[in-house]
Amino acid sequence: DIQMTQSPSSLSASVGDRVTITCRASQSIITFLNWYQQKPGKAPKLLIHGPSTLQSGVPSRFSGSVSGTDFTLTISSLQAEDFATYYCLQTHRTPYTFGQGTKLEIK
Amino acid sequence: EVQLVESGGGLVQPGGSLRLSCTAAGFTFSGSWMTWVRQAPGKGLEWVANIKGDGSEKDSVGSVKGRFTISRDNDKNSLYLQMNSLRAEDTAVYYCATLRGSSDTRFFECWGQGTLVTVSS
Repeated sequence: DIQMTQSPSSLSASVGDRVTITCRASQSIITFLNWYQQKPGKAPKLLIHGPSTLQSGVPSRFSGSVSGTDFTLTISSLQAEDFATYYCLQTHRTPYTFGQGTKLEIK
Repeated sequence: EVQLVESGGGLVQPGGSLRLSCTAAGFTFSGSWMTWVRQAPGKGLEWVANIKGDGSEKDSVGSVKGRFTISRDNDKNSLYLQMNSLRAEDTAVYYCATLRGSSDTRFFECWGQGTLVTVSS
């Protein structure tokens, strides 16, 4: 199985900060990497797929990039509504696997 | 607007069975791959199973193989997850989602609100 190592597991930041979250794949997943945001009690929401295509309706402060097997989600200027848990997901091979999640909290 | 509504969750004893349903609207269901994802209380997300639009291809995570069966009824715009031999570790919120993709991308796009399955005596 492909392991997705996501870091950090938690992060404290302030409104207006720039934050980055990283996922490292245990083997090549080419471009089959997606990012999700989840708020408490809600279903995950697709932010980015493929790994830099912004889903329709998602603010442009969210962006994704890749370098080899390292994938990065960047939020350029945090807004209050961005405090949530973020997950990466690889869909290159089954079993599809998620990262462990990053809980983004208000400092 | 895409709508996915899960149902069928509840409390079941270890070793018991449950069938989850996901009713879809707002898109061409028969042409869409579908997936189930679960989330144990306070834990992360885990992919459970996929099924192709015509039902001809299916796949699932190893921990549920031989116990869970994904299926669909395109006439009813419905997706199912038959869960047998349930264990405490199957306790989770179960989400259905649409699975979209192309040659270089594949993603779970639209999600239902989830249904809670609790396995306990």
